[in-house]
Amino acid sequence: DGGITQSPKYLFRKEGQNVTLSCEQNLNHDAMYWYRQDPGQGLRLIYYSQIVNDFQKGDIAEGYSVSREKKESFPLTVTSAQKNPTAFYLCASSRDRAFSNQPQHFGDGTRLSIL
Amino acid sequence: QKEVEQDPGPLSVPEGAIVSLNCTYSNSAFQYFMWYRQYSRKGPELLMYTYSSGNKEDGRFTAQVDKSSKYISLFIRDSQPSDSATYLCAMGGNTGKLIFGQGTTLQVKP
Repeated sequence: DGGITQSPKYLFRKEGQNVTLSCEQNLNHDAMYWYRQDPGQGLRLIYYSQIVNDFQKGDIAEGYSVSREKKESFPLTVTSAQKNPTAFYLCASSRDRAFSNQPQHFGDGTRLSIL
Repeated sequence: QKEVEQDPGPLSVPEGAIVSLNCTYSNSAFQYFMWYRQYSRKGPELLMYTYSSGNKEDGRFTAQVDKSSKYISLFIRDSQPSDSATYLCAMGGNTGKLIFGQGTTLQVKP
């Protein structure tokens, strides 16, 4: 089955700790995205990538970092600089270049909480 | 003013009712429109995708786009308890980012 796999489903972060969220897709999509979802708010874009070894900041990139070493993988690191990391994190992908008219498809998210 | 406005609800209806979910937007550059369904603790699932004004039907779901009024709707006929979820509208243009509404929570009571 083609899709997007996010892991882990739940993650807890201690003070001063960096944590990495995994996102893997087998849809052969070029573009990948990371969003943050908070209660009562729409999805907010953290980072996106159009191609391997390329990525761009979204609207709320501060305190986050990404890499795109393989087409299938787009991990997100939540650094200790992100002071309010508790949220539901969603990874998405789309065919062709980012923000073309192709719809985005989502994984099932990772819920990150502070210990 | 937000680029996309969506009433958060919650909206509660009896089983079998027709449901109308709506979004308004301010950016006339938006060209394509989507509706996603999101169950609790899950990722959004694409329901409908439209690229022009008018109606698009898929089973019990109808998406309607009125570009002149900057208004989109999703209608659900014969609603079922399994339709209980949060519905997100999303829209974008050729070079801009996808903008999401905050979502409407729907509960269909048996």
